[in-house]
Amino acid sequence: NAGVTQTPKFRILKIGQSMTLQCTQDMNHNYMYWYRQDPGMGLKLIYYSVGAGITDKGEVPNGYNVSRSTTEDFPLRLELAAPSQTSVYFCASTPSWGMEQYFGPGTRLTVT
Amino acid sequence: DQQVKQNSPSLSVQEGRISILNCDYTNSMFDYFLWYKKYPAEGPTFLISISSIKDKNEDGRFTVFLNKSAKHLSLHIVPSQPGDSAVYFCAASATRAGGTSYGKLTFGQGTILTVHP
Repeated sequence: NAGVTQTPKFRILKIGQSMTLQCTQDMNHNYMYWYRQDPGMGLKLIYYSVGAGITDKGEVPNGYNVSRSTTEDFPLRLELAAPSQTSVYFCASTPSWGMEQYFGPGTRLTVT
Repeated sequence: DQQVKQNSPSLSVQEGRISILNCDYTNSMFDYFLWYKKYPAEGPTFLISISSIKDKNEDGRFTVFLNKSAKHLSLHIVPSQPGDSAVYFCAASATRAGGTSYGKLTFGQGTILTVHP
């Protein structure tokens, strides 16, 4: 099993550009999450999904959108990139609440 | 409002000694706690967890202690090894909230552990 995979690993965006961060898991987990980690800070929840077709906002959703058309994929969309979105983005999944989450390797995004 | 706090940004320990990492929380709904370890340029990896019905959980060199009355948990690593050098994150979840929690984790800021040979 590959676990949770994320692409790309690195990306530099100009202000106002758009991009999609990809996340795929092959563990058949229903629950998936997107977090961002800023320097010296903990991870903050952006969006989460409890199954295909069901998504909801986390703590810091502004400037982002998500979709969940399949169990495996949970892409995160940035529509108009801003310098405040410079961060490392992690995708995670879990089979059920009350269990540990499995994280991908992260995408380092810089917006200039 | 930071609901999970790790007040020590860093900790330096000699190889073979005990490492103690601390975490405090404020939300009384939290009932499931986890520790994650993170190496540079990698995602966090799960280390150990504890439910609020317990006050201690052990897994090899790692032990997590939970003091519910103080809203405090700690991770003990004995003996510490140079390979343990990483950032350690404490995280909490409110599982009893069931349908409203959905396993969402609230993370502390992390503690950088350095184990010297």
